Amino acid sequence: EIVLTQSPATLSLSPRERATLSCRASQSVNSSYLAWYQQKVGQAPRLLMYGASTRATGIPDRFSGSGSGTDFTLTIGRLEPEDFAVYYCQQYGSSLLTFGGGTTVEMK
Amino acid sequence: EVQLVQSGAEVKKPGATVKISCKLSGNTFTDFHMHWVRQSPGEGLAWMGLVDPIDGETFYADKFQGRVTITADTSADTAYMELSSLRSEDTAVYYCATGPSLSTHGDLELFFDCWGRGTLVTVSS
Repeated sequence: EIVLTQSPATLSLSPRERATLSCRASQSVNSSYLAWYQQKVGQAPRLLMYGASTRATGIPDRFSGSGSGTDFTLTIGRLEPEDFAVYYCQQYGSSLLTFGGGTTVEMK
Repeated sequence: EVQLVQSGAEVKKPGATVKISCKLSGNTFTDFHMHWVRQSPGEGLAWMGLVDPIDGETFYADKFQGRVTITADTSADTAYMELSSLRSEDTAVYYCATGPSLSTHGDLELFFDCWGRGTLVTVSS
């Protein structure tokens, strides 16, 4: 099983600041098969990125993803009020799909 | 645009079985793997398994193997997830989710771009 560790657990930032979220895998993720999701309270997760760096349909370009192997990053260029939420990474490079524990981006 | 509509909340006693449905509309049911993911405060997000509606082939996470059954009814465009021998730790929100179209993306893109609203299952005596 590939274990995904997200850091930090909580990120306290102000609107218009830049957010950098990390997702580290316990072993290399094949073909950069890594996705990122955003979840707000009471809602299902929403796909942001797949293939480590491809934005999903309708996702604004202030969201960007990078990384390969075991280290991946989600960057939010300038935080908008609607971006304060919990973010999860997910790998699909192995037959057992796994999620990270999440990073909460909260308003300072 | 794919939409997934799940059945309502359930309350079950320990040892019982729960069966949740998920109806797909807006696209061709057989063009999407149907996944089930659950979420609880203690466990976070956990993938349970998937079904390929074309042939009913299933893949389950080891953790749930033997207790979970995922099926697909192509006549009703509906997938089902049945979890047996329920215990308190199974209290969670259960989501169905689909990935991208199999005909355009193949069967390796196992991320989730459409989710149901979730079904709360409470296991309590």
